[in-house]
Amino acid sequence: GENVEQHPSTLSVQEGDSAVIKCTYSDSASNYFPWYKQELGKRPQLIIDIRSNVGEKKDQRIAVTLNKTAKHFSLHITETQPEDSAVYFCAAIFGGGADGLTFGKGTHLIIQP
Amino acid sequence: EAGVTQSPTHLIKTRGQQATLRCSPISGHTSVYWYQQALGLGLQFLLWYDEGEERNRGNFPPRFSGRQFPNYSSELNVNALELEDSALYLCASSYQGPYEQYFGPGTRLTVT
Repeated sequence: GENVEQHPSTLSVQEGDSAVIKCTYSDSASNYFPWYKQELGKRPQLIIDIRSNVGEKKDQRIAVTLNKTAKHFSLHITETQPEDSAVYFCAAIFGGGADGLTFGKGTHLIIQP
Repeated sequence: EAGVTQSPTHLIKTRGQQATLRCSPISGHTSVYWYQQALGLGLQFLLWYDEGEERNRGNFPPRFSGRQFPNYSSELNVNALELEDSALYLCASSYQGPYEQYFGPGTRLTVT
């Protein structure tokens, strides 16, 4: 079936450094790619998304890039802060979205002080 | 604007019992998605309701069912509970199908 692969599973960076999380997807027809942040015991929070007709989108310290040819997209967080520590999930829709969002396995981002 | 709400927060049931979980979407949203977040398995799509109709279901047995009410709130029912049904059940609502889904806080279901 369709799937989303996410790497790395754990990422530890020094406060102030940048963090990059990568995802690949299997269906070239996918056209929507959101990222969610889930803090411990909290709901997944939509932090940024991108559609297939756009190559890059930024929102303050976070950005998402999409390479449709290679079927991968990445989340970039600059100037990381302690509050960025969380599990981040990438997702994609397949088959027009009838199957909801298909999620990656998640990346546990740890910001070291 | 109020976010997606879910009740109850926690639910403890015995194997073989039934569980009912509830979700209220963001005002104006007509689509409700249900996901299961089990340890080690990530988030998996369960059910999709839109305009009062079940539009699709994920790869889960018929023991998982639900409905959407005229006010777009939704209910997830799990019959004949099994130990492996223990998980966080999340609902999400959206204004336009699968795009821009916003999640509720979840219901933690524990089956003993």
